[in-house]
Amino acid sequence: GNSVTQMEGPVTLSEEAFLTINCTYTATGYPSLFWYVQYPGEGLQLLLKATKADDKGSNKGFEATYRKETTSFHLEKGSVQVSDSAVYFCALSDRSFQKLVFGTGTRLLVSP
Amino acid sequence: EAGVAQSPRYKIIEKRQSVAFWCNPISGHATLYWYQQILGQGPKLLIQFQNNGVVDDSQLPKDRFSAERLKGVDSTLKIQPAKLEDSAVYLCASSSWVAGAYNEQFFGPGTRLTVL
Repeated sequence: GNSVTQMEGPVTLSEEAFLTINCTYTATGYPSLFWYVQYPGEGLQLLLKATKADDKGSNKGFEATYRKETTSFHLEKGSVQVSDSAVYFCALSDRSFQKLVFGTGTRLLVSP
Repeated sequence: EAGVAQSPRYKIIEKRQSVAFWCNPISGHATLYWYQQILGQGPKLLIQFQNNGVVDDSQLPKDRFSAERLKGVDSTLKIQPAKLEDSAVYLCASSSWVAGAYNEQFFGPGTRLTVL
């Protein structure tokens, strides 16, 4: 079945540091890929998405590129802020937004 | 636009008791989802409704969990009787369905259930 593996946290960074959170997937066919973010006390929010190979999703300074050859969708940001502290989930679906399968989440802690 | 509403936000019960969670989706969203998020894990889909019909309940433990969406708007998820392993956050999400395509899922804040 479909599955997502993402790096364990917490990831602890200083403000303005570069961020990478690794995500790899296993899926049949051509899944859509997503990053969701969960801020403390809030619901999950879609951060960015990519629906086909080589697509780059981007939002709020975050980027991720759909790499079919390496089955990866790593999340990156060039300069993190304290307000980026949250839990980040990588996810896939077999059709756009259908049957979401989530990774276990990676907690990011950014200190001033 | 109001988001997905859920209540209660927190619930503590003893094992073998019953509990119910309520979700009101975004107005006009035909599709409603219930997810279970156990601590340290990603959300897992329990059930998906399209209007008032069930699309997918393959991961719902039907011996103790039930869900309904009688009028195609708000929904209730019930656990009866609860077990210790049901301690989790229960997330509700909704999405629009246009021209045969599903759109982005919007999540509510969740209900944190603790079973003692």
